[in-house]
Amino acid sequence: QVQLVESGGGVVQPGTSLRLSCAASGFTFSSYTMHWVRQAPGKGLEWVAVISSDATNKEYTDSVKGRFTISRDNSRNRLYLQMSSLRAEDTALYYCARDDSGIGNDYWGQGTLVTVSS
Amino acid sequence: SYEVTQPPSVSVSPGQTARITCSGEKLENKYVCWYQQKAGQSPVLVMYQGSKRPSGIPERFSGSNSGNTATLTISGTQAMDEADYYCQAWERSTAVFGGGTKLTVL
Repeated sequence: QVQLVESGGGVVQPGTSLRLSCAASGFTFSSYTMHWVRQAPGKGLEWVAVISSDATNKEYTDSVKGRFTISRDNSRNRLYLQMSSLRAEDTALYYCARDDSGIGNDYWGQGTLVTVSS
Repeated sequence: SYEVTQPPSVSVSPGQTARITCSGEKLENKYVCWYQQKAGQSPVLVMYQGSKRPSGIPERFSGSNSGNTATLTISGTQAMDEADYYCQAWERSTAVFGGGTKLTVL
């Protein structure tokens, strides 16, 4: 069965960096576009970034451009989000989600919590 | 940047029909998905391409997308349908979520 397991969250100070990982299993990871979506405590969903199946195309929401980098390792079935210059407003539960083209985000992980606080 | 808007809350009595709207400019020209998120859980896809149900989603869930408004309709609403619902509009490979609608079944 499809599984997405995020890791790497934690409590960090403003201005520092953090790398999130998402381990994928149960499907051919290299065939799917993947996304990061975040949810601040008590708030709604916010799309963060997308990476194509072959990593040639990457896009970001405006608020993270220049600070976050999405990447993937298809040989290890892993998705990453490198986050730098973290701000308090980046505090959120970060989900990775599979993109079944034309269908939407059909599988989601359980999320990893990032807290940016001094 | 593109935006979609949802009402913050909708209330419905058990067995009645709930309608949750999502508004955006020329929304009918975009792929629209709907997600259900229950407290403490990850989102679940309940509708895609405006009106198609993924396997495993009950038939009481239906959707439409016309003009500037997409609508998620839940017929014969059950207590288990109480959740937050998010619309998502796609533009090529990027997406934008609505602010979410809390559905209360009372």
